Amino acid sequence: GQNIDQPTEMTATEGAIVQINCTYQTSGFNGLFWYQQHAGEAPTFLSYNVLDGLEEKGRFSSFLSRSKGYSYLLLKELQMKDSASYLCAGMDSNYQLIWGAGTKLIIKP
Amino acid sequence: GAVVSQHPSRVICKSGTSVKIECRSLDFQATTMFWYRQFPKQSLMLMATSNEGSKATYEQGVEKDKFLINHASLTLSTLTVTSAHPEDSSFYICSAPGQGDLQTQYFGPGTRLLVL
Repeated sequence: GQNIDQPTEMTATEGAIVQINCTYQTSGFNGLFWYQQHAGEAPTFLSYNVLDGLEEKGRFSSFLSRSKGYSYLLLKELQMKDSASYLCAGMDSNYQLIWGAGTKLIIKP
Repeated sequence: GAVVSQHPSRVICKSGTSVKIECRSLDFQATTMFWYRQFPKQSLMLMATSNEGSKATYEQGVEKDKFLINHASLTLSTLTVTSAHPEDSSFYICSAPGQGDLQTQYFGPGTRLLVL
């Protein structure tokens, strides 16, 4: 079956670095998405990886290993506004999105 | 966990025809559902909020006469793209908040629409 696993909740300190992991099993693979969602708002696109390696965008980076079915989202220099849910979603061979349950990130001062 | 399904998963239609997409909450009730569209590698764009028993609320710039939404029951919302045109080709995703927990959204797998 198809499945996305990510931790339910993580806590980190303002100014620190946090890594949110995601493992996926999809029927075929057409990429891995990361979204940020603040409570009550629509998700915001953060990154898309389809090739192995690290993609960096400012304070956020995303990594993909297709052989391991693994991705992570790395957030540096954490700010209070980064408190949100982070959704990992894999796209299968039919271009269907398989959603993770989301990781709630709590930032403490 | 809660599951949201969509049907069909993929549809190809001719320009000028109408297409209906269903969104179902499988093991919970949802008085509210959300409809999004997504262009490649971009954020989900909220189109409308579907309310059971009342009219849908559309976001600015979304034509309500073109994108008809019907929330027929506590587990089903439908989006009908009327008189579809090639520019309507997109990925349509619905979500439903968890029962008693409006902050948690459960997303459907999406429907890929291609209008020829």
